[in-house]
Formats: sequence, structure tokens, C-alpha cells
Amino acid sequence: DTAVSQTPKYLVTQMGNDKSIKCEQNLGHDTMYWYKQDSKKFLKIMFSYNNKELIINETVPNRFSPKSPDKAHLNLHINSLELGDSAVYFCASSQGRGRWGQYFGPGTRLTVT
Amino acid sequence: LAKTTQPISMDSYEGQEVNITCSHNNIATNDYITWYQQFPSQGPRFIIQGYKTKVTNEVASLFIPADRKSSTLSLPRVSLSDTAVYYCLVGGGNAGNMLTFGGGTRLMVKP
Repeated sequence: DTAVSQTPKYLVTQMGNDKSIKCEQNLGHDTMYWYKQDSKKFLKIMFSYNNKELIINETVPNRFSPKSPDKAHLNLHINSLELGDSAVYFCASSQGRGRWGQYFGPGTRLTVT
Repeated sequence: LAKTTQPISMDSYEGQEVNITCSHNNIATNDYITWYQQFPSQGPRFIIQGYKTKVTNEVASLFIPADRKSSTLSLPRVSLSDTAVYYCLVGGGNAGNMLTFGGGTRLMVKP
């Protein structure tokens, strides 16, 4: 019974396409996050949602749009994909913000060709 | 915004104690310090979290000095399976506080 799951695990697509990554957590947490990990393994937060409300929106291109239909889901939609979007994207969840440790999903490796 | 820096890599031998330090000079009053472990092709895994002084759990200790501008993750008696990348994360004490990861420290444990 996976705590934080992401689909797909791998995503290969061409420049200009639109794609989505789905994330679900079954931990009952009220805060969810999206992170981007680049080829140098740097982890950078993109978005954070608390009870379906956006509370962190880092300097991410507006081609990236998070959608939280309910507390257990936080999907990431990416329009007009670019080569530089190639990375591993991690979803995470926590009970509350910062005060609590985050549980990470297995990651989605996005490759844009 | 807390800028968080860590050594890029460290080597150790099985059975030794390993200390990894993270520098976060601009830490905000309400920020917490959290450490994660990441194996290849996996998501980061929570190790320990603290606010000040010392925190210990079954796998690690976290030392935070009074000025909170740095923190040290201590792994007692490492084994080969502790070879991984270790990240410190600073922030999140208040809603909207930024969450800043360090660049990660690649720990190699040798037999």
C-alpha cells in the first residue's frame, strides 16, 4: 500500500506537447508539494498546496499548472514542453507545513526530445 | 530566503560515525531543519527533523547550535547500505515560508 504514488514513472515526449503527471497520497495529509530534481540532483520546490489552497508558487514558468481536485491529489500539468523541462519530478505530502517531515513519491522521469 | 549549503561528498568506512554539516545562515525564526536520505531512482526519505539543540531517533542525531545557522546530521556506525545522498531542508515554519534544499552530500561508505 504505497503512501505517495505518482503516474507515470517515465514520460518521454516531444517539445511542444502538453502532458500531465498525477500524484495521490493515502496518508490523510493536508499538504502536498511538487519538486523538480535536475540532472545535478538539485531539488527545488515548485508548488505547495495546503487543503487544496496554493501556498507556495515558486518562480516556475506559467506553463506549469498544479491542480488539486481534493486533499489526496495534486496533479501537475505542463504545457508546451521544452527541452529544459527534462528532469525528475517528485510529489510529496506532509501533515501540516514544515513542522512535519515530508513523504515523497517515487518520482516521474520526464524526458523531452 | 535561507541559502543552504552542504559538502558535495564524503567518504567513510563501515562502523564509523559520520557527521554531515549543513550551513543555513539566513534561517528564519520559525524555520525547521529536516534531513532526508535519497537512494538512486527513489524519492527522498525523511530521516530526522529539529528546531534547536539536539534531536535523536533510532537512526540518527541532529545537532543544532544556539544561533541555528548550521546543523549537523550524525549517523552512528554507518554500514554499506547508508551509501546515499543526504539533503538538508530548511524552512516551512509558517505557511508560505520557503522550503530550501541544500545541494546534497553524497556519502560513500566503504568496507
